[in-house]
Amino acid sequence: ELKVEQNPLFLSMQEGKNYTIYCNYSTTSDRLYWYRQDPGKSLESLFVLLSNGAVKQEGRLMASLDTKARLSTLHITAAVHDLSATYFCAVDRDDKIIFGKGTRLHILP
Amino acid sequence: KAGVTQTPRYLIKTRGQQVTLSCSPISGHRSVSWYQQTPGQGLQFLFEYFSETQRNKGNFPGRFSGRQFSNSRSEMNVSTLELGDSALYLCASSLVVGPRSEQYFGPGTRLTVT
Repeated sequence: ELKVEQNPLFLSMQEGKNYTIYCNYSTTSDRLYWYRQDPGKSLESLFVLLSNGAVKQEGRLMASLDTKARLSTLHITAAVHDLSATYFCAVDRDDKIIFGKGTRLHILP
Repeated sequence: KAGVTQTPRYLIKTRGQQVTLSCSPISGHRSVSWYQQTPGQGLQFLFEYFSETQRNKGNFPGRFSGRQFSNSRSEMNVSTLELGDSALYLCASSLVVGPRSEQYFGPGTRLTVT
């Protein structure tokens, strides 16, 4: 059974700092997704990572994928308050998307 | 291009009742997937429809069902509601079947069962 684990589940950080969210998954999957969810809102697609070594960047967010280690990271550079949200990683297996529990990110001004 | 729309946005039902939720995908998208989000279980896949056929189903009881119409609009139905069915129900549309096509999520329907 595919399991997706994110850590940390909650992160409070100061503006201007850097941090990384980790996403581990238990079985092979060659496609990994990162989503953002604001409170009471729906999911917004951030990144789709398709292959080993893939790296994508958008603004202060950068995602990478290591399929051999079954690990993806979402790195936040010089955090700003607007990045406060819950971030989910998800992998597909047998045509189903399995989500992690999410990382609630709170950025303090 | 209009996004994914879901109706109603909020719903309050009583245990034992049934409920129908609606999802209209982005124009041209033919695949619709449904997810349940709860604080305890997180986001869980319910089912996926493509060309009016259910292509995939998650681990939910038979009380949860769905269908898709020829215009790709989809409905999901939950019968004999239980308190544990209180959740945010999200639908997502994509161009082709399967999660390998990027999914676009709707705003969700918040269902409260009392």
